[in-house]
Amino acid sequence: KAGVTQTPRYLIKTRGQQVTLSCSPISGHRSVSWYQQTPGQGLQFLFEYFSETQRNKGNFPGRFSGRQFSNSRSEMNVSTLELGDSALYLCASSPDRVTDTQYFGPGTRLTVL
Amino acid sequence: AQSVTQPDIHITVSEGASLELRCNYSYGATPYLFWYVQSPGQGLQLLLKYFSGDTLVQGIKGFEAEFKRSQSSFNLRKPSVHWSDAAEYFCAVSARDDKIIFGKGTRLHILP
Repeated sequence: KAGVTQTPRYLIKTRGQQVTLSCSPISGHRSVSWYQQTPGQGLQFLFEYFSETQRNKGNFPGRFSGRQFSNSRSEMNVSTLELGDSALYLCASSPDRVTDTQYFGPGTRLTVL
Repeated sequence: AQSVTQPDIHITVSEGASLELRCNYSYGATPYLFWYVQSPGQGLQLLLKYFSGDTLVQGIKGFEAEFKRSQSSFNLRKPSVHWSDAAEYFCAVSARDDKIIFGKGTRLHILP
């Protein structure tokens, strides 16, 4: 079975731009979660989607949004980028819930200049 | 407030020595507890998890963790570490249908 894939792997943007990251979960997995990883804040939960609905949300501003499609693929969008948004963005999929075994993708490294 | 504390940012042990990584949590509901490992080139991988039952949980790669409710702890152990265990280890807590909260991580260094 193919693992979780994330595209693109690396991205460089400038302040004020917006960005869209993509995640393809493991086949059959319906829960997709997104995380932001930075050296200072560590791993922080952004949101979780299940059956095209946001089920949980972390403490991030409204500039961070996401969606899930009927095939469980997910995208997250960050608008009006700030320098502090530079991070590794990880996507994870699991069969039904975050408390199931989550499988993580390799991440997208976003650099904001 | 819900939180996870990993008090050791870095730990160095000699190859073949035993290992214990500490994790303390604060969570209102009955928690699910996890340990994840992140290695360069390997991504983030679940080592083990606990929800109920036997408080000593066995995981992959020879790791185990013990849940102690009275101490709000879920420490990770391995009797003999290998050089390939050098990585960053994250403890996490969640509940069914809730978000997952990670600790800041402990970086493990192995001396040959």
